[in-house]
Amino acid sequence: QQPVQSPQAVILREGEDAVINCSSSKALYSVHWYRQKHGEAPVFLMILLKGGEQKGHEKISASFNEKKQQSSLYLTASQLSYSGTYFCGTDGTGGFKTIFGAGTRLFVKA
Amino acid sequence: DTGVSQDPRHKITKRGQNVTFRCDPISEHNRLYWYRQTLGQGPEFLTYFQNEAQLEKSRLLSDRFSAERPKGSFSTLEIQRTEQGDSAMYLCASSPKGLPNEQFFGPGTRLTVL
Repeated sequence: QQPVQSPQAVILREGEDAVINCSSSKALYSVHWYRQKHGEAPVFLMILLKGGEQKGHEKISASFNEKKQQSSLYLTASQLSYSGTYFCGTDGTGGFKTIFGAGTRLFVKA
Repeated sequence: DTGVSQDPRHKITKRGQNVTFRCDPISEHNRLYWYRQTLGQGPEFLTYFQNEAQLEKSRLLSDRFSAERPKGSFSTLEIQRTEQGDSAMYLCASSPKGLPNEQFFGPGTRLTVL
């Protein structure tokens, strides 16, 4: 079951904050976040595991609400380099199969 | 460069032809994934390997798709009797042993079926 991301797109000015949400209809074991720039491969940002383990990345952080089967990605003081499409990937089995959402397109302007 | 590599980077073929793509993962990574991505969508899971064992294959895949990882190192993805709907970017990723972890993506193979 593909996770649902919201919003689908967001436009920010440099320095503004953004939140991207990812929700699943199934229980989650892990949530991955990736950023993909146009014409490039996805690049890992962080992973959150059931039980609270988290890996971070620069000024970007995330939360994982296991009960609500949701994760949120927080981008603070956005920079032009944050522009791209953000994908969450989820796994509900404790295995290694990752199902990605449709993405949130983020555009940061000067 | 010790990242994930894919070959070829671009492939144009005629409908009905067979194509094969290769992925070389990061050498110490034991898990290897194949995804398909179309414009405006996220990577769509196709299959993954742990060492040489194919542990899961998407039910979305028809019998025309097959993947191998014969010695637990490089992998190949073959599409038989290609259709126009197979046109997409095919991405390979690898990840190290242990808990669910970062997946390192290769640059992809862009397939165009005429």
